[in-house]
Amino acid sequence: QSALTQPASVSGSPGQSITISCTGTSSDVGGYNYVSWYQQHPGKAPKLLIYEVNNRPSGVSSRFSGSKSGNTASLTISGLQAEDEADYYCSSYTSSSTVVFGGGAKLTVL
Amino acid sequence: QVQLVESGGGVVQPGRSLRLSCAASGFIFSSYDMHWVRQAPGKGLEWVAVIRYDGSNQNYADSVKGRFTISRDNSKNTLYLQMNSLRDEDSAEYYCARGHGSSYVDHWGQGILVTVSS
Repeated sequence: QSALTQPASVSGSPGQSITISCTGTSSDVGGYNYVSWYQQHPGKAPKLLIYEVNNRPSGVSSRFSGSKSGNTASLTISGLQAEDEADYYCSSYTSSSTVVFGGGAKLTVL
Repeated sequence: QVQLVESGGGVVQPGRSLRLSCAASGFIFSSYDMHWVRQAPGKGLEWVAVIRYDGSNQNYADSVKGRFTISRDNSKNTLYLQMNSLRDEDSAEYYCARGHGSSYVDHWGQGILVTVSS
């Protein structure tokens, strides 16, 4: 159950778009369309942003989008805003019927 | 609205036991799988365990298998995590979360802190 691989940090200026990658294996990310993304602000519980690769729950801004190619999933945030500064985690279902998270990516809005 | 409230955390010595509870409200608890996820101070999220909506099946992370037990009481709308043989590395904020199978979790509790220390 190795953690999915995410960049430790990403950054962008207001209005720009950024993409956070999440790399796993054929036993998790590549094997199922069960990748989800979460946003966590300091001291707060995580919030679901994307589920099943590219679906947004109601209430989540359309600036957030997800995709997947092979063993790598991606979260794109367009029109960066100051409030987007947070930690972002990907997650996937695995062939062991468990769940695995990525190590997290800290987004800095410059 | 969906509410998940954890309780039972605190400071415990290595090797001892602790039981966490999560009181659910605002949804039909018996219709949803439930998860525990933890986060060590300054670290990332780590999935811990999941239990099926009817309690028929449970799965665990390798790091807690054989030491932790997830359970639920649908008559009380409550989720539990029995933690035995606690280690220093189990120190973390523990979140209960409502699941859609094991695909994703859509609501989280506020978290409860467990500190394992002598």
